[in-house]
Amino acid sequence: SQQGEEDPQALSIQEGENATMNCSYKTSINNLQWYRQNSGRGLVHLILIRSNEREKHSGRLRVTLDTSKKSSSLLITASRAADTASYFCAPRTGANSKLTFGKGITLSVRP
Amino acid sequence: DTGVSQDPRHKITKRGQNVTFRCDPISEHNRLYWYRQTLGQGPEFLTYFQNEAQLEKSRLLSDRFSAERPKGSFSTLEIQRTEQGDSAMYLCASSLSARVSPQYFGPGTRLTVT
Repeated sequence: SQQGEEDPQALSIQEGENATMNCSYKTSINNLQWYRQNSGRGLVHLILIRSNEREKHSGRLRVTLDTSKKSSSLLITASRAADTASYFCAPRTGANSKLTFGKGITLSVRP
Repeated sequence: DTGVSQDPRHKITKRGQNVTFRCDPISEHNRLYWYRQTLGQGPEFLTYFQNEAQLEKSRLLSDRFSAERPKGSFSTLEIQRTEQGDSAMYLCASSLSARVSPQYFGPGTRLTVT
């Protein structure tokens, strides 16, 4: 398995603004997953994008994947205070079942 | 509630004591994972099961740690002779076995070793 590297480490925005978070990885993947974690809670799966997909939407979330650059981005549009959380990406190779997480991105949305 | 559940949610123990945590996965999921998370870090993989078989263990899983999943349903994680460095959030997740299946996490068990 391989670890995703999230960027930036911390992001602070005003409610209503968009938040863009980036993830880079090193080797070929089968899919890449994004998770959210509210303080002191378990992780919540947000979206999974397969290696043959370039973009995926779910509500206010938009994920892109560029396999040539080995990178992905998560865009949250019209952010809300409730989006305040840590966000993790998890690139997944075909052979491994476990997920390997980086340090994540701490997003703060100011009301 | 049909999500992943963990018990207890919090555990405070003294150094040297043994502790056991339980995880109940989503019923149709045949894979079950354990992760550990310390403050400011992402979760670190510990071990995973496919049905009752333990298929992979991390080097993080010292001899003091043991996990079981009898009958392929719930799982237990036991830590013997706890140390202060074991203080962390222990997360359980479950999934189907397909490559594109996401993992669904429980709320975690927060362990504090005093």
